[in-house]
Amino acid sequence: TQLLEQSPQFLSIQEGENLTMYCNSSRVFSSLQWYRQEPGEGPVLLVTVVTGGEVKKLKRLTFQFGDASKDSSLHITAAQPGDTGLYLCAGEGGSGNTGKLIFGQGTTLQVKP
Amino acid sequence: SAVISQKPSRDICQRGTSLTIQCQVDSQVTMMFWYRQQPGQSLTLIATANQGSEATYESGFVIDKFPISRPNLTFSTLTVSNMSPEDSSIYLCSSLQGNTEAFFGQGTRLTVV
Repeated sequence: TQLLEQSPQFLSIQEGENLTMYCNSSRVFSSLQWYRQEPGEGPVLLVTVVTGGEVKKLKRLTFQFGDASKDSSLHITAAQPGDTGLYLCAGEGGSGNTGKLIFGQGTTLQVKP
Repeated sequence: SAVISQKPSRDICQRGTSLTIQCQVDSQVTMMFWYRQQPGQSLTLIATANQGSEATYESGFVIDKFPISRPNLTFSTLTVSNMSPEDSSIYLCSSLQGNTEAFFGQGTRLTVV
């Protein structure tokens, strides 16, 4: 059973379209993180959301942490081919401050020019 | 932010042999982590490597198969021993900025034939 469920698994859209992807859990997290990974590279941190209900914006990307601190969403406005990649959410995997992360299975985004 | 240099970036190995992957961080870090990732899929934590102590392995991973070294605060190695085709995967090292925000090496894509 995946502790962090991401949906959809795969998204293929045209440049300029908007999209939303989700990261859901039955467990409360003190924070959730979003990473983007491009082929042949390691994941790169996009944002950390910490407070339930928090909304963070990073240019065309809007991240929201659910009120109950169990889920998060990532909305991209006017997607561009450069947004293509694997989007992973992650949360603290141990009890306390272990530094261990558990990852969702990812959403693969393909933005066609 | 800190940078991890990981090598090799890819390798094709014969079954029964071993491969050692190296990660060098450009600053001192307390914890380093090793993950495995099937292409396009999630990351699974193999072990946590702290300097001066034995690595801590996650369920399903054992020291005989994945010996880890952590000789100082900037370097770690992971060896994949007695490889079989099932070990074909991407292996990633990481460390932390702050308490929970991970940064990664670029990964090693291993193919066992």
